[in-house]
Amino acid sequence: EVQLVESGGGLVQPGGSLRLSCAASRFIFNKYWMSWVRQAPGKGLEWVANIKQDGSEKYYVDSVKGRFTISRDNAKNSLYLQMNSLRAEDTAVYYCARNGRVYDYYFFDQWGQGNLVIVSS
Amino acid sequence: QSALTQPASVSGSPGQSITISCTGTSCDVGGYNYVSWYQQHAGEAPKLMIYDVSTRPSGVSNRFSGSKSGNTASLTISGLQVEDEADYYCSSYTCSDTLSFGGGTKLTVL
Repeated sequence: EVQLVESGGGLVQPGGSLRLSCAASRFIFNKYWMSWVRQAPGKGLEWVANIKQDGSEKYYVDSVKGRFTISRDNAKNSLYLQMNSLRAEDTAVYYCARNGRVYDYYFFDQWGQGNLVIVSS
Repeated sequence: QSALTQPASVSGSPGQSITISCTGTSCDVGGYNYVSWYQQHAGEAPKLMIYDVSTRPSGVSNRFSGSKSGNTASLTISGLQVEDEADYYCSSYTCSDTLSFGGGTKLTVL
């Protein structure tokens, strides 16, 4: 069974930084696009960013461009999200998700359990 | 990057069928056959139910089906069961190479 385990969340002040990690196991990590999806408390899902297998392509939702950076380390089967200049509206549960096919990123077939990020003074 | 439009809530009785709509534009739902649907029970991670408009992953009940007409996609659940009560989200690839979600629909099984 595929496993995606997020870590690194917590409480951070506005303007601060945080780095989320996602440890992947039980599948060939370097064959899949990977994504981050977030969910603000009581709200819906929002795709945040995704990254190609070799890291050569990355896409972001407009609201995080220039502040968040997605990256991966295939040797460590790990996905990351560096979040800078954090705002209150970034408060959410952040999910690590595997994109469902090796040749595109159009849906998410596996999800982590989520990691809560709270941006507050 | 506007969210897709879903009804806030739908309801049905056990055994009935319900349909959840997901309306976008020609830049997302209408332009590509890359609509997916997710089920999320309270406090849990989302689960993929449908991808590529109408394809069910292995292990998902055939009571769940998807379709699309123009800029609107639909998820139909037949033979409603109590355990189907959850939030449902649609998603689509967009012409900006991004992914967009709907606002979510709360399904209540009466």
